[in-house]
Amino acid sequence: QKEVEQNSGPLSVPEGAIASLNCTYSDRGSQSFFWYRQYSGKSPELIMFIYSNGDKEDGRFTAQLNKASQYVSLLIRDSQPSDSATYLCAVNIRDRGSTLGRLYFGRGTQLTVWP
Amino acid sequence: GAVVSQHPSWVICKSGTSVKIECRSLDFQATTMFWYRQFPKQSLMLMATSNEGSKATYEQGVEKDKFLINHASLTLSTLTVTSAHPEDSSFYICSASRDGETQYFGPGTRLLVL
Repeated sequence: QKEVEQNSGPLSVPEGAIASLNCTYSDRGSQSFFWYRQYSGKSPELIMFIYSNGDKEDGRFTAQLNKASQYVSLLIRDSQPSDSATYLCAVNIRDRGSTLGRLYFGRGTQLTVWP
Repeated sequence: GAVVSQHPSWVICKSGTSVKIECRSLDFQATTMFWYRQFPKQSLMLMATSNEGSKATYEQGVEKDKFLINHASLTLSTLTVTSAHPEDSSFYICSASRDGETQYFGPGTRLLVL
């Protein structure tokens, strides 16, 4: 069974703080990992993807992957009120014998950044 | 960039009618397109996966005769909800991928069936 677990939150941080979002996954065959941001009433927007163990930084966002622990996280530095949204962790897994992967989503963590 | 559009953005229809939703990748060729449905306060639910020129692969529990998917070109996929009923009211979102892994989502289509 392929599961992606996230803390549902809500996570509330003050403006300027670091927001830390966590995600664990069950399938060791997972190959690529994604963080999407979804504002209320809107569709998901890709923030970052990561394939290799370690950290990947893009502006105020840092994704961290630890395949041994089956753990992926997203750090948001200098959080802004505009970062308030639901953050979806997604894991791409290719079914056995298939060249096509599909995304398995967590339920999302609701983040609120207050001024 | 990787821009995906959907049309229409919202639609209201009567029960029993059919509704077609278009999904287009505007600045890249999408080898694979995906269709999702999202109910309020819930996560995305994958309905089907389609590759250009071949039949869509439907997830378990999704009726292929009710949700018709056509992936006519590398930039266009359509989802037709046939004989729509109020329980089909939802937020339908497509995504497109050029490498089969990274998915870029369209803005979604809100369907309300009266």
